[in-house]
Amino acid sequence: NAGVTQTPKFQVLKTGQSMTLQCAQDMNHNSMYWYRQDPGMGLRLIYYSASEGTTDKGEVPNGYNVSRLNKREFSLRLESAAPSQTSVYFCASTERLAGDGFNIQYFGAGTRLSVL
Amino acid sequence: LAKTTQPISMDSYEGQEVNITCSHNNIATNDYITWYQQFPSQGPRFIIQGYKTKVTNEVASLFIPADRKSSTLSLPRVSLSDTAVYYCLVPNLKAAGNKLTFGGGTRVLVKP
Repeated sequence: NAGVTQTPKFQVLKTGQSMTLQCAQDMNHNSMYWYRQDPGMGLRLIYYSASEGTTDKGEVPNGYNVSRLNKREFSLRLESAAPSQTSVYFCASTERLAGDGFNIQYFGAGTRLSVL
Repeated sequence: LAKTTQPISMDSYEGQEVNITCSHNNIATNDYITWYQQFPSQGPRFIIQGYKTKVTNEVASLFIPADRKSSTLSLPRVSLSDTAVYYCLVPNLKAAGNKLTFGGGTRVLVKP
């Protein structure tokens, strides 16, 4: 019962390098999310995908791109990493209940990214 | 948007009950209230969800008054392992759709 799987767990980049964070869920959820969490701070939404084939900006999308590859996978790309993007990145998935509300969000273990 | 407001931090002692109140004055008719717990270096995990009145599970209780403009998460007889950040989430479906954003959360420190 894997839930939400994120890879890699840790990554160190130099300024200007690019990388893609991977996320996959096995719960057949329609909606997937990428959040970042800076030390001692709350979660901030970067991008989300309400369903396969759609993506939308969250609160802090600048410097990131996403791809909803299929229903299971949602990737986050940093084209040119900056020190300000040093953070822990969490992927989550959920299902919207029929008519109202949301089912609960399930989170991955996170990717710890340092940009030097 | 339905913004949530929680205390930034709370201290407690082992064996005490901890109550965290979240204000959500603009909650919409079809919004549920969900609470998450986050331990250091881990992703948030679901604790409890409710729509109105009282919900109880093996971890916590959630109290929601009739006007639904606030909710209170109650953790009975906390232990050191309950030290975590607790987030209240109200999706505001009407305005935000699938855009689920979190507030700053409440940092609970349980002391021996």
